[in-house]
Amino acid sequence: GAVVSQHPSRVICKSGTSVKIECRSLDFQATTMFWYRQFPKQSLMLMATSNEGSKATYEQGVEKDKFLINHASLTLSTLTVTSAHPEDSSFYICSAKVSGTVNYGYTFGSGTRLTVV
Amino acid sequence: RKEVEQDPGPFNVPEGATVAFNCTYSNSASQSFFWYRQDCRKEPKLLMSVYSSGNEDGRFTAQLNRASQYISLLIRDSKLSDSATYLCVVSVMIKAAGNKLTFGGGTRVLVKP
Repeated sequence: GAVVSQHPSRVICKSGTSVKIECRSLDFQATTMFWYRQFPKQSLMLMATSNEGSKATYEQGVEKDKFLINHASLTLSTLTVTSAHPEDSSFYICSAKVSGTVNYGYTFGSGTRLTVV
Repeated sequence: RKEVEQDPGPFNVPEGATVAFNCTYSNSASQSFFWYRQDCRKEPKLLMSVYSSGNEDGRFTAQLNRASQYISLLIRDSKLSDSATYLCVVSVMIKAAGNKLTFGGGTRVLVKP
């Protein structure tokens, strides 16, 4: 089946530093990648939608200058959390829709657990 | 009102029993529906898509009621390994942005021996 590889799986960083999270579609082309954030005991909240070769669309309340998204190729999308603060500590997950196969739904990366200290 | 609502549970289920729970959605333009399973501190994994006619996959049965705007999931002969959080996911087509997924808060199921 379709696989999205997400790295790193876990990262601890100091407050004020930046962290880059990568998502790669391994055996399909991901025209669109979705980025979510999930706080403990809460549901996934969509942060932004990135389309290959164009600017990402951010959800209301998500700072585009803080969460930089790049989708330069059909197989790679990145999310950079800039000047991270403790309140940015969360579980970040990317997702892509596998085109042409309704049954596949959306495939998720394995998630990145970010802890800002 | 939340776009997608689920009973958070937990549903404590004896092993071998049947458990069912619903998810309601508010956007009548919703097009696609899914049930995902999420284990603690892991990514969601697709359990099954939900079709208008209802569909079954082994011990799992999903139903869609468009008139009342809810979907349901039924698990028969519960196994210990079915313990997880079940996420209801609804997809809406937005002109400029394409498909947008909205997640319910999840229903936690605990299967006990």
